[in-house]
Amino acid sequence: ETGVTQSPTHLIKTRGQQVTLRCSSQSGHNTVSWYQQALGQGPQFIFQYYREEENGRGNFPPRFSGLQFPNYSSELNVNALELDDSALYLCASSLGYGQSGELFFGEGSRLTVL
Amino acid sequence: RKEVEQDPGPFNVPEGATVAFNCTYSNSASQSFFWYRQDCRKEPKLLMSVYSSGNEDGRFTAQLNRASQYISLLIRDSKLSDSATYLCVVNGGATNKLIFGTGTLLAVQP
Repeated sequence: ETGVTQSPTHLIKTRGQQVTLRCSSQSGHNTVSWYQQALGQGPQFIFQYYREEENGRGNFPPRFSGLQFPNYSSELNVNALELDDSALYLCASSLGYGQSGELFFGEGSRLTVL
Repeated sequence: RKEVEQDPGPFNVPEGATVAFNCTYSNSASQSFFWYRQDCRKEPKLLMSVYSSGNEDGRFTAQLNRASQYISLLIRDSKLSDSATYLCVVNGGATNKLIFGTGTLLAVQP
């Protein structure tokens, strides 16, 4: 096991609602990245947090936002949910600035938007 | 053009076969390259890093061709347990973020 835990594991929401997903990083890791994986696709980079600050963002609208806490755990918030937001949301922890090394993924939160 | 492109497959091969996956990337400034494995409905896990000189880990061999911006993964003597999706992953150069390909699905048949 990677030591990265995510919650909830599954959830169902309706269009227009808001959702918060949570991630606890592996012990000693100070960087958390969030990815969205739609069915049949590879993970798409949403954003990364390093030492509580956003450090890079992918091509996602502002209704996708996040936080990192002093213990390096993180949240992903999505407002005004759309049907296309249905996906597996993966959190990955790593050590150090940027992503030049291995990412350790949690098992993901599977979001269904109806 | 996608930043990282892979043939999605599926590749259906018999046990014991040798299979090769290819991947191309668009950012010539990329510095780090990886193959990740993702089992059905599970999280991706690092299979191996890819080095310029090529590297081998048991039945798995990875190659990098910087001039052609091309990465490959060779699996020898395929096992049923190799059945998974193989994700090509490239560091995004100046953005320093890991970019994943769509993945190639491998199904090893008995």
